[in-house]
Amino acid sequence: AQRVTQPEKLLSVFKGAPVELKCNYSYSGSPELFWYVQYSRQRLQLLLRHISRESIKGFTADLNKGETSFHLKKPFAQEEDSAMYYCALKDFNKFYFGSGTKLNVKP
Amino acid sequence: DGGITQSPKYLFRKEGQNVTLSCEQNLNHDAMYWYRQDPGQGLRLIYYSQIVNDFQKGDIAEGYSVSREKKESFPLTVTSAQKNPTAFYLCASSIGAGSNQPQHFGDGTRLSIL
Repeated sequence: AQRVTQPEKLLSVFKGAPVELKCNYSYSGSPELFWYVQYSRQRLQLLLRHISRESIKGFTADLNKGETSFHLKKPFAQEEDSAMYYCALKDFNKFYFGSGTKLNVKP
Repeated sequence: DGGITQSPKYLFRKEGQNVTLSCEQNLNHDAMYWYRQDPGQGLRLIYYSQIVNDFQKGDIAEGYSVSREKKESFPLTVTSAQKNPTAFYLCASSIGAGSNQPQHFGDGTRLSIL
């Protein structure tokens, strides 16, 4: 079975501090992984996907097949990064989401 | 912005009543999805549809039904058989199965029991 685990429900950091949101997955093939973000009063939206190997709003995520992880990182957190973050795995025609991590960046 | 429109934003259901949540998309996406979001549990897949006139059960389909008569529409009916329907419901769409394209989400419908 496919599973996505986000072990932290809440992560609080100070502005300017590094942040890492953890995501581990269980999948028997080559995974397609995504990070979604939901800012206050906004809809859930794509932040980045591993296949693009891109940096969005200063965030990056590297797929580590050995550790089956896809952690989301940013070297210097900003207050506007405060939001709910979801890791997701796509298996052909279905998406599996983690339970989400709420990031709170304090001034 | 356009994309996916869910209505209503809030919905109340009486015991024993069926209610239908609307989801419309103008993105010309083939695939559409319905999720249920409960606190601390993330998103759980109820039903999905890859093409018109076809749909598949997700992980928690019991007590729900869907139809896909048009490409742009994927309504979800919460039946009286769903014993715990109070939740936040999200509709999503994507270009199609097998692609590496992400999903696009609506604003959601919050369903409560009177």
